[in-house]
Amino acid sequence: TQLLEQSPQFLSIQEGENLTVYCNSSSVFSSLQWYRQEPGEGPVLLVTVVTGGEVKKLKRLTFQFGDARKDSSLHITAAQTGDTGLYLCAGAGGSEKLVFGKGTKLTVNP
Amino acid sequence: GAVVSQHPSRVICKSGTSVKIECRSLDFQATTMFWYRQFPKQSLMLMATSNEGSKATYEQGVEKDKFLINHASLTLSTLTVTSAHPEDSSFYICSAETSDSSYEQYFGPGTRLTVT
Repeated sequence: TQLLEQSPQFLSIQEGENLTVYCNSSSVFSSLQWYRQEPGEGPVLLVTVVTGGEVKKLKRLTFQFGDARKDSSLHITAAQTGDTGLYLCAGAGGSEKLVFGKGTKLTVNP
Repeated sequence: GAVVSQHPSRVICKSGTSVKIECRSLDFQATTMFWYRQFPKQSLMLMATSNEGSKATYEQGVEKDKFLINHASLTLSTLTVTSAHPEDSSFYICSAETSDSSYEQYFGPGTRLTVT
C-alpha cells in the first residue's frame, strides 16, 4: 500500500514568514500533485511535478520533486493571510487513483 | 479550463430518504471521475472510481448498494446515497481526470450532506 506522509500536520505562522511543507513516501510515484483546499470547498490544483529533481515555481510558492520521486516539498516565501488553507499532496503510482497525504493545515496570522 | 461543478452544494434530508449528487465536467470530457468523502479536519477518502459506460469500482469498505454511482456520459457522474442515515452526513467531493496521462484531477466544490 502506498502512503504519503505529510508534515507538519498543523502550522501557524505570522504574515511575512517563510515555511516548508513536506510530503514523504517509501514508494515511487510517477507524478505528484499539490492542492490547496479552503473550508467548505473542493481542493484546487496548484502544480503537478513529474520529473525527479524537478523544481516548479508559482509566484511565492516553490515545489520540488525528490530525485527518486518519493518525496516532495512546498516552500512558501513571505506568507500572506490569503495562503491560509489545507495543503494536500497527492501521488500517482501508475494507476489513475491518487494517494493523498493527510494534509497540512496552514494558518497565516496578520 | 478544467472546471468541475457539483450540485447541490448543500442538502439536508431525513433519515431513510435518498439523495442524488451530480458532478459535471464543464469544459472537458472526463472518462474517469472519482467520488471522495471528507470528514472534518481530515483528508480525502476515495470512495469509488467512476468510468463512463461501465460499472464503478468501489474502494474496500464502501457499500456499493448504498452509494450508487452512474456515469452515463463523458461529462456527468452521479452519486446517490440511498436510505441515508445520520452517519452518512459528510462532505462529498467529486473529481474528474483529464484525458491526458498526467493523472491530474480537478475537483468540484463539494456537497455538504446532512442527514437528520
